[in-house]
Amino acid sequence: GQQVMQIPQYQHVQEGEDFTTYCNSSTTLSNIQWYKQRPGGHPVFLIQLVKSGEVKKQKRLTFQFGEAKKNSSLHITATQTTDVGTYFCAGHSGSARQLTFGSGTQLTVLP
Amino acid sequence: DGGITQSPKYLFRKEGQNVTLSCEQNLNHDAMYWYRQDPGQGLRLIYYSQIVNDFQKGDIAEGYSVSREKKESFPLTVTSAQKNPTAFYLCASRRGTNEKLFFGSGTQLSVL
Repeated sequence: GQQVMQIPQYQHVQEGEDFTTYCNSSTTLSNIQWYKQRPGGHPVFLIQLVKSGEVKKQKRLTFQFGEAKKNSSLHITATQTTDVGTYFCAGHSGSARQLTFGSGTQLTVLP
Repeated sequence: DGGITQSPKYLFRKEGQNVTLSCEQNLNHDAMYWYRQDPGQGLRLIYYSQIVNDFQKGDIAEGYSVSREKKESFPLTVTSAQKNPTAFYLCASRRGTNEKLFFGSGTQLSVL
């Protein structure tokens, strides 16, 4: 079945440093979604990427979808303490009707 | 406010007991989902329902059961057959395939 791997599992950064999490799928994805889960909270949708090579920005967050539609990344510029949480990618493959989630990257931002 | 409501927030299960987690949505979404989250891990799909009176097993359905008698409601029962039920359970819904998921605030289930 479809597998989605996400690295790193944990990342500690100093406030102001950049952060990147990577997502790799065993199969070609029709689209990929990113979610953020704050400590003690529930996942909240951030963005969806659909096109090969697509890049989208949300303020300090930059999302990329690979040319082969098998990988994606989330980059945060100049992290802030409000960025703390776990970031999940989740993808649909062509035949699967359900999202497969990555294991998440837990981001800690040290003040 | 439109959204998904899960209850209770915390639940304790005794040995051999079945417990039911509630999930209600007023978003008029057809599809509803149950996920299990273990510490430091991703979300694993337990059951999902695309339409009323129909549901499908996810990746880890053993020891769980669901019903979908109303569009708004998708309760999850954790049966005594689930030997390791301690986890954070998340209910979600969405309008259709390839749409984003809306999550409830979750239920933390622990075993006494």
